[in-house]
Amino acid sequence: GAGVSQTPSNKVTEKGKYVELRCDPISGHTALYWYRQSLGQGPEFLIYFQGTGAADDSGLPNDRFFAVRPEGSVSTLKIQRTERGDSAVYLCASSLTRDETQYFGPGTRLLVL
Amino acid sequence: DQQVKQNSPSLSVQEGRISILNCDYTNSMFDYFLWYKKYPAEGPTFLISISSIKDKNEDGRFTVFLNKSAKHLSLHIVPSQPGDSAVYFCAASATNNAGNMLTFGGGTRLMVKP
Repeated sequence: GAGVSQTPSNKVTEKGKYVELRCDPISGHTALYWYRQSLGQGPEFLIYFQGTGAADDSGLPNDRFFAVRPEGSVSTLKIQRTERGDSAVYLCASSLTRDETQYFGPGTRLLVL
Repeated sequence: DQQVKQNSPSLSVQEGRISILNCDYTNSMFDYFLWYKKYPAEGPTFLISISSIKDKNEDGRFTVFLNKSAKHLSLHIVPSQPGDSAVYFCAASATNNAGNMLTFGGGTRLMVKP
């Protein structure tokens, strides 16, 4: 079956602009996670959704970052007033429930110039 | 403060030999551990996991060992194949966390030479 998909695969933007990154989880998966991977490091947790609600957003670095999952399926990560330090690969993962294995999408590579 | 560490950034092994990747953790609340494999331009792919109630889990060529007292786990791949060349991430979670989010190590790049 289809895995987790993310769009766009690459995004180049200028400092100060707004970006939206989309995640389409595996059908039927109730748990959805966003992670960020900087060059040479492992992924770092950003936010977790159970259904439509953000159950844990403790990993969001500041209030420029926001995510939604209005219908409990597709999620959008929104970054306002982008900074060069936001450049990273943004990974989305989903799992059937919070206790099941997380399956990752291919990521969106964001470059802020 | 890194809670999960992979101290070897890279490892080179001859095809057919054993690959051993190591991981250390500091948070005693972690009770579930996973290994993911990542190819360039792809997302991490789940490989194998182990619960803290076990000390070994095996799946084909892959075996994960957990030493709770030392807060150390390792992934053994035998025999190693060129297609195993990738970056391997160790990850840990604490089931009492609301979200069961994963904490990752920095990764080890494995190169298997034909």
